[in-house]
Amino acid sequence: QVQLEESGPGLVKPSETLSLTCIVSGYSISSGYYWGWIRQPPGKGLEWIGTIYHSGTTYYNPSLKSRVTISVDTSKNQFSLKLSSVTAADTAVYYCARDRAYITIDYWGQGTLVTVSS
Amino acid sequence: QSALTQPPSASGSPGQSVTISCTGTSSDVGGYNYVSWYQQHPGKAPKLMIYEVSKRPSGVPDRFSGSKSGNTASLTVSGLQAEDEADYYCSSYAGSKGVFGGGTKLTVL
Repeated sequence: QVQLEESGPGLVKPSETLSLTCIVSGYSISSGYYWGWIRQPPGKGLEWIGTIYHSGTTYYNPSLKSRVTISVDTSKNQFSLKLSSVTAADTAVYYCARDRAYITIDYWGQGTLVTVSS
Repeated sequence: QSALTQPPSASGSPGQSVTISCTGTSSDVGGYNYVSWYQQHPGKAPKLMIYEVSKRPSGVPDRFSGSKSGNTASLTVSGLQAEDEADYYCSSYAGSKGVFGGGTKLTVL
């Protein structure tokens, strides 16, 4: 059974960089598929942030592209998200997920709330 | 990149059918057969219910079905049950990027 678990600080100061890691178990990232991040502001809808292929090729939401970096570490079977210059608008539950292709998300982490506040 | 358009709410009585629409453009919904639907209960992660417009993952009841016409995709839930009450989101591939709908709250009366 594929499982994903997000980890990282729950509180980030404005203008700083949000950093999250997703540890994958039950499946080897190097075997294939895409791995991505989706976020959901409190009480609002889902927003696609971006995806990385196991080879390292990345795809980002154009509205966030200048601030987002997604990377993969196949040796640790994990992938990471960095979002720079955060503001209160970046406060959200962040989900890591497996994308079987073409934005078909078949496995999700439980989500982690990140609050941007001083 | 605009979100796909969904009605904010939908409702139906147990046993009835309800259809939720998801409208995009020729650059996303209309341009690809890669529309997915997700169910999200409060405080939980979304769950994949439909992918590639009309395919159901293993374990999803056949009461859930999907379709597409032009730039609009639809999710139909037949034989409504109490546990179907949740938020539903559509998503679409849009050429090297993804886009979600704003979500529809389905209430079982």
